[in-house]
Amino acid sequence: SQQGEEDPQALSIQEGENATMNCSYKTSINNLQWYRQNSGRGLVHLILIRSNEREKHSGRLRVTLDTSKKSSSLLITASRAADTASYFCATPIYNQGGKLIFGQGTELSVKP
Amino acid sequence: NAGVTQTPKFQVLKTGQSMTLQCAQDMNHEYMSWYRQDPGMGLRLIHYSVGAGITDQGEVPNGYNVSRSTTEDFPLRLLSAAPSQTSVYFCASTPSTPGGITEAFFGQGTRLTVV
Repeated sequence: SQQGEEDPQALSIQEGENATMNCSYKTSINNLQWYRQNSGRGLVHLILIRSNEREKHSGRLRVTLDTSKKSSSLLITASRAADTASYFCATPIYNQGGKLIFGQGTELSVKP
Repeated sequence: NAGVTQTPKFQVLKTGQSMTLQCAQDMNHEYMSWYRQDPGMGLRLIHYSVGAGITDQGEVPNGYNVSRSTTEDFPLRLLSAAPSQTSVYFCASTPSTPGGITEAFFGQGTRLTVV
């Protein structure tokens, strides 16, 4: 079964607006990762937040992690049409080398 | 710097045929994995490997075999293709680090249709 649940499943915004995506997970984690997938392409790693971190920034990306609620959020500020893609959260399974459990993803559409 | 290379990019099979999806990485990563992606289902783990000679099952292993004879290569074999295996397949590699699992590097995917 999926470890992560994401919401919303789809999000449509205008360029310049902020986009927020949420992810919940079920088990204890070492870290949580966010990936981006452009239509028909492979996944690209965006950002990783460790279990002892509460917030992390990378350019226009801001990720938060609340381990007590087993949830994370990804905020994209000042969105651009080029941000249109699907976004997935993923958690590695402890001591099971490289094994990632993915959420179902949020499909983001940014209209120019 | 190729990263993770998957071949072929597209494939159409008839029910009952077998084939091998190739995956190669040039980053000397210990961990490699195969996922399938279906609409509305996200990515689901098929098989994974923690090093040459070691493989294990993931969430949806039935109908697939893997082997890992070298660090670089991790082929996925469909034994007898079924329409339910129509999907997009992704291979990924991950370095092992003392601090735990870090980012995974994905190939561009193989779009498989079984008719």
